[in-house]
Amino acid sequence: GQQVMQIPQYQHVQEGEDFTTYCNSSTTLSNIQWYKQRPGGHPVFLIQLVKSGEVKKQKRLTFQFGEAKKNSSLHITATQTTDVGTYFCAGRTSGTYKYIFGTGTRLKVLA
Amino acid sequence: DGGITQSPKYLFRKEGQNVTLSCEQNLNHDAMYWYRQDPGQGLRLIYYSQIVNDFQKGDIAEGYSVSREKKESFPLTVTSAQKNPTAFYLCASSIAQYERWELFFGEGSRLTVL
Repeated sequence: GQQVMQIPQYQHVQEGEDFTTYCNSSTTLSNIQWYKQRPGGHPVFLIQLVKSGEVKKQKRLTFQFGEAKKNSSLHITATQTTDVGTYFCAGRTSGTYKYIFGTGTRLKVLA
Repeated sequence: DGGITQSPKYLFRKEGQNVTLSCEQNLNHDAMYWYRQDPGQGLRLIYYSQIVNDFQKGDIAEGYSVSREKKESFPLTVTSAQKNPTAFYLCASSIAQYERWELFFGEGSRLTVL
């Protein structure tokens, strides 16, 4: 079945350093989404990417969707303590309502 | 205030008992989902529903059952057949059309089997 893997599983950075998490799907995706889950909380939607090679920015966050629509990345520039949490990607294949979540990357920012 | 309400927030259950988790949304969303999250792990799909009176199994449906009799409601029953039910359960909904596919999550229900 469809699988979505994320690396790294954990990342500790000093405040001000950059951070990147990578997401890889075993199948071609129709779209991919990114979510953030704060400790003890529930996932909150960040962004959706639909087009091959698409790049979107939200302030310090940059999201990319691969040309083959099987991989994606999230890059945070100059991390802040408010960026702490687990970042998940979630992919959907065409013709289905089913979203498969990646394994997540837990980010810890050291002040 | 529009949103998704899950209840109860915490639930303790003895082995061999069935338990039903409630999920209600007033967002007028067509699609609803149940995910399970284990400590330090990702979200795994249990069941999802595209419309009323229709639902499909996700990747880990064994030991669970759902119903979708109303658009607003998608309760999940954890049966005694579920081997390891202790987990954090998340319900979500989505418009699922017009390129609006983002999932809105409830605050979750934490089930502990004693």
